[in-house]
Amino acid sequence: EAQVTQNPRYLITVTGKKLTVTCSQNMNHEYMSWYRQDPGLGLRQIYYSMNVEVTDKGDVPEGYKVSRKEKRNFPLILESPSPNQTSLYFCASSTPTGTSDSYSQYFGPGTRLTVL
Amino acid sequence: AQSVSQHNHHVILSEAASLELGCNYSYGGTVNLFWYVQYPGQHLQLLLKYFSGDPLVKGIKGFEAEFIKSKFSFNLRKPSVQWSDTAEYFCAVNAADSGGYQKVTFGTGTKLQVIP
Repeated sequence: EAQVTQNPRYLITVTGKKLTVTCSQNMNHEYMSWYRQDPGLGLRQIYYSMNVEVTDKGDVPEGYKVSRKEKRNFPLILESPSPNQTSLYFCASSTPTGTSDSYSQYFGPGTRLTVL
Repeated sequence: AQSVSQHNHHVILSEAASLELGCNYSYGGTVNLFWYVQYPGQHLQLLLKYFSGDPLVKGIKGFEAEFIKSKFSFNLRKPSVQWSDTAEYFCAVNAADSGGYQKVTFGTGTKLQVIP
């Protein structure tokens, strides 16, 4: 089954304690992206990656890091989380190249993060 | 920089009423346009998309959208809504930036509540 998985689904942590949210897709997609969803603000792109070892900042990258060492994985790293990073996070993937499905993003189930 | 505006934040309709949700984008170049739906407690799913060709695109569940280039708009329509259409709807724009990478910008979303 084609899917994007995220772990953990729920996380409560404290300020300053480094954490990683994993994202994996099994569709061989080149493009992967992280978003945060906040009430009234919709989805805002944090980072995206066009392919292995190619990443770039989205609209709200401050306080986050990503890496893309393998095509299927795109972890989101919060080195020193703060309460303003409390949010619902979604990972997504798509293929940018020449199919009818190009650029249609497949979303993971979301990770609800609370930073105390 | 690209941006997306969804002017209706919350829409309440009775079943069988017609629906039109507005979406305007700001970007001078070539764009791909999307509508995603998020049912309560679930992740985003693609409703429909426009890349090129016929500006009237049809999606799943009876939804359609019309791309009007001169108005920078991509409004979502459905002739007769059902209670099961209660969800949040997001318009998104995908455009190539100067580096050739693909940034995706979402609108802030429109919550649709359909009353039986």
